[in-house]
Parts: sequence; structure tokens; C-alpha cells
Amino acid sequence: GESVGLHLPTLSVQEGDNSIINCAYSNSASDYFIWYKQESGKGPQFIIDIRSNMDKRQGQRVTVLLNKTVKHLSLQIAATQPGDSAVYFCAEKGDGNKLVFGAGTILRVKS
Amino acid sequence: EAGVAQSPRYKIIEKRQSVAFWCNPISGHATLYWYQQILGQGPKLLIQFQNNGVVDDSQLPKDRFSAERLKGVDSTLKIQPAKLEDSAVYLCASSQGPFRFGEQFFGPGTRLTVL
Repeated sequence: GESVGLHLPTLSVQEGDNSIINCAYSNSASDYFIWYKQESGKGPQFIIDIRSNMDKRQGQRVTVLLNKTVKHLSLQIAATQPGDSAVYFCAEKGDGNKLVFGAGTILRVKS
Repeated sequence: EAGVAQSPRYKIIEKRQSVAFWCNPISGHATLYWYQQILGQGPKLLIQFQNNGVVDDSQLPKDRFSAERLKGVDSTLKIQPAKLEDSAVYLCASSQGPFRFGEQFFGPGTRLTVL
């Protein structure tokens, strides 16, 4: 699909508020999904994953929700902190057992 | 535990020149990946190695890109000749085994600018 190039969607939240980052995936056969965080000048960092036989998984301050009916994934971050500012990518394990990354969402946390 | 190391961190070249990137994965990680990340996009897998064998290179532009992992540890990715559209960050990642994506660790990347 077409990428959004430099114009990534941006979510701005106040420090302490909850953040919800959304992702639509393309392959209904995908059975595994990961959320990554990427800070400027660094490689992506694993946050949380979920298999398709689940619809919710919780980690420390993060929750991933999976809605297979509409092929939608979301990442909820509780009590967002300035250190959470980054670009967030969802990725699906698609055909050929390779990860296919989405375009990313910029999260900006205002103090 | 040391992470995935990559060098150089930055490279600027003219189009039609050649360039090579180096990656040292986490010790003991048999699987090594090279990704291309164009500005504003998510990473795209170029090639995946299991030890020194290629598992998947279906998205590697083989007319200009090559990669090797001769001793099953370090890897190099080469572009020859480079085009303007090759400007991107080249990320190396490793994991203990294939398809263990939840345990895939990324290096900091090499930012390539082709003028």
C-alpha cells in the first residue's frame, strides 16, 4: 500500500494521560502481531506482542487489543510519560513468515 | 549483554558509487536480518540469514544489493551501484532462532544518503 511518507499521523497527549495508538493491518491470515517503539537515531524496540488467538494482552503500562473482525490493532499506554515520546509501529507476521511493518505513528508527550 | 552493533552510523555517497555496511549480531544469535527503512516508513525486510545460509531474500534488489554472512556471525550488506532512492536507514537485527520476532533485537542502523 501507499506510505504516508513524511506525514506520519501524530498523537499529542498530556503527561499522565492515557494514549491509544491505532493500526489497521492488511492480511486476514496474519497470526502474530508486535508493537515497536522507535526513538530518534535508534532501531525499533519491542514493546508487546499478541497472537491471533487472543484479543487482549497486558504488559507493564501497555495493553494491546486485537480486533480480527475489522483487522485492527491498538496499543494503549497508561499514564504516558515524556520518555514514551517516539514513533510507534505495529507489525504483522505475514506471508512467508516475515514481519510487515505499518507506517508508524508519532507520539508526542507534553509536560 | 552487548547489543547489535552496526557501522558506519552515517554514510554519504554520490549516486552510482558503492557502499558497504557491517553488522555484528548479539553473541549466540543464529538469525540475522537486514531491513531498509525509508524516512517516514516502517522497516522493510531485505534479507534473513540462518547461520550463514539465506532464509529469505525475496525483497532484496539483487541487481544492486548483495549480502553475506560467511562465518555465521558478522554480516555485510553492499549496494553497487547506489541510486538516489536507496537513501534510507539500514537496520540490522538478530534473534536466537528463525521467526522468533518477539526476541528480535535491532541495531541503531546506518543512515545512508545518496546524492
